[in-house]
Amino acid sequence: GAGVSQSPRYKVAKRGQDVALRCDPISGHVSLFWYQQALGQGPEFLTYFQNEAQLDKSGLPSDRFFAERPEGSVSTLKIQRTQQEDSAVYLCASSPRTGFGNTIYFGEGSWLTVV
Amino acid sequence: AQTVTQSQPEMSVQEAETVTLSCTYDTSESDYYLFWYKQPPSRQMILVIRQEAYKQQNATENRFSVNFQKAAKSFSLKISDSQLGDAAMYFCAYRWAYNQGGKLIFGQGTELSVKP
Repeated sequence: GAGVSQSPRYKVAKRGQDVALRCDPISGHVSLFWYQQALGQGPEFLTYFQNEAQLDKSGLPSDRFFAERPEGSVSTLKIQRTQQEDSAVYLCASSPRTGFGNTIYFGEGSWLTVV
Repeated sequence: AQTVTQSQPEMSVQEAETVTLSCTYDTSESDYYLFWYKQPPSRQMILVIRQEAYKQQNATENRFSVNFQKAAKSFSLKISDSQLGDAAMYFCAYRWAYNQGGKLIFGQGTELSVKP
């Protein structure tokens, strides 16, 4: 497709379960971002990739969160031993190049509910 | 640390009228970008308008315009001739110009409703 694609769109996980969220960025986009958006809040930065290199992971809330982009295209955000506070929408975004003024394109997000 | 504040959790406007959404930010940097994003129920963030801090002229995009006051660190969005399709969450966002990753810092959002 032409846009950023995320799957699954909806995921219900039992507390303690591991989950994996997939992001398929726009073809050829160098930069890829993950954001977490809790209910009623603005998105918060989790991590950033330039091609396959994870250059900024300062927003990952704990060591239960792990992201990868091994071939510089598709990315996976993995959450181990999910907790209720992990319930949120996880937004993926990409942009065509690095640099200051590039437009960032967002996907529709993966809605995670931990019960 | 940079912060973005939207003090209006909800706003309402009559169709065809004009509404202004407020945003303030805090930064010690001089070069940065500011954005307004629209988020419909689908949750996809859609860029509405952007402003480069070095530009004094306020950005406009059709019915959308901003009032950028750099000294006051204020960045409001004006929507003219409001349409039913404008109803959504609106987020103000900041991005430091020299952050290679282009990390965006978002406000809490303003939910805009449009009355027919």
